[in-house]
This record gives sequence, structure tokens and C-alpha cells, in this order.
Amino acid sequence: AQSVTQLDSQVPVFEEAPVELRCNYSSSVSVYLFWYVQYPNQGLQLLLKYLSGSTLVKGINGFEAEFNKSQTSFHLRKPSVHISDTAEYFCAVSMNTGFQKLVFGTGTRLLVSP
Amino acid sequence: DAGVTQSPTHLIKTRGQQVTLRCSPKSGHDTVSWYQQALGQGPQFIFQYYEEEERQRGNFPDRFSGHQFPNYSSELNVNALLLGDSALYLCASSRGQGASYEQYFGPGTRLTVT
Repeated sequence: AQSVTQLDSQVPVFEEAPVELRCNYSSSVSVYLFWYVQYPNQGLQLLLKYLSGSTLVKGINGFEAEFNKSQTSFHLRKPSVHISDTAEYFCAVSMNTGFQKLVFGTGTRLLVSP
Repeated sequence: DAGVTQSPTHLIKTRGQQVTLRCSPKSGHDTVSWYQQALGQGPQFIFQYYEEEERQRGNFPDRFSGHQFPNYSSELNVNALLLGDSALYLCASSRGQGASYEQYFGPGTRLTVT
């Protein structure tokens, strides 16, 4: 079975500052890794995903994440945040074979203030 | 191009009642997955439908059942509602059932059980 840990339930940051949202996972098999964003009263939107290849993955809205197999981590970063980045961010994993079944972490609320 | 749509947006039911939630996948998508997102938690996988059959199921009781129609739309049924079933129910669709395919999420149905 897979599990995802997002240790930070909330991350406050000032506008234009850099941010890192942490994600660690556990799995006995190889996995695909995802980051989703959820704005208030909306569904989830895919930010980026790691399937294979380069461990540095670039996504939408200036976000990027780095897959670290030895540390079983997939941290999300953005060099300069905007007020509009305020949202809930979810890290998820899926086995890399068969049907896609996403296992999500509990989420990190990013609060960007002026 | 319409994305994933869900109906109704909100629903209030009483304990013991039954509820049906509906989902229309994104155009061109043939696979539908359902997730339950309790308040303050990440989404949890309920089940996935492909070719009108349940292909994979999460750790949910038999009170949760579903259906997929020939036009790929789907329903989620919950019988004998409990207070703990109160949550946001998310539908996600993808073009294919493989682990690497991106899942597109709808805005969800907010179910309140009183």
C-alpha cells in the first residue's frame, strides 16, 4: 500500500517570497507522483507530475518539484509566489502499473499575504 | 470544451436515507473515478469505472455503489446514510485507465447528512 505525508498543514508566506511545500511518501512498489491544487469551492487541478526521467519536474503557474528516491520525497517549490497562489495543495501517489488509484496526503494550505 | 460536471452542487439528507450523485466526464474520456473528501482531509479513492464495470475499489463499505452508462457518465449511490458520510464527493475522469493518465476533477458535490 502507498501513503503520503504532508507535514505542514499550513504555510504562511509573503507575496514574492519563495516557498517550499513538503511531501514524503511510502510505497513498496514504484510510483508516479503528483501535485494538485484546490481553490475554494473548486475541484482539484493538476500542477505537475513525475512519471520517469528527469527528477526535476516543471508544472503550471511557475511551480516545480523534485523527485528524490532515496529520501522518498517530492517537494513542491515556487521561487516567487503571488496572492493568487493562496489555495490548498495536495501531494498524491499512484502505483506505476495497472489502474490509476490516487492516494492523497492531507493537504497543505498556502496563505500568501501582501 | 466542457470539463467534468457534477450534479447536484449541494445536497442535504437525513440519516438512513439514500442518495445518488451524478458525473459527466470530460469529452473524450472513458474512465471515471470517485473520491470522498472529508472536511480538512485529502480525497480518498472510492472506486473506478471503465467500460461500464467497476475496475478497482478503495476501502469503502458496500453501501457505496456505482454505475457507468454507455455514454461514460457515472452515478455514485450511497445507501443507509451515516453522519460520517458528510463530505465533498469528487468525480474525476481520464482518457484511459492507465496509471500515467491525467485525471481531471469536477467541482464536487457537497453532501451534508443530518
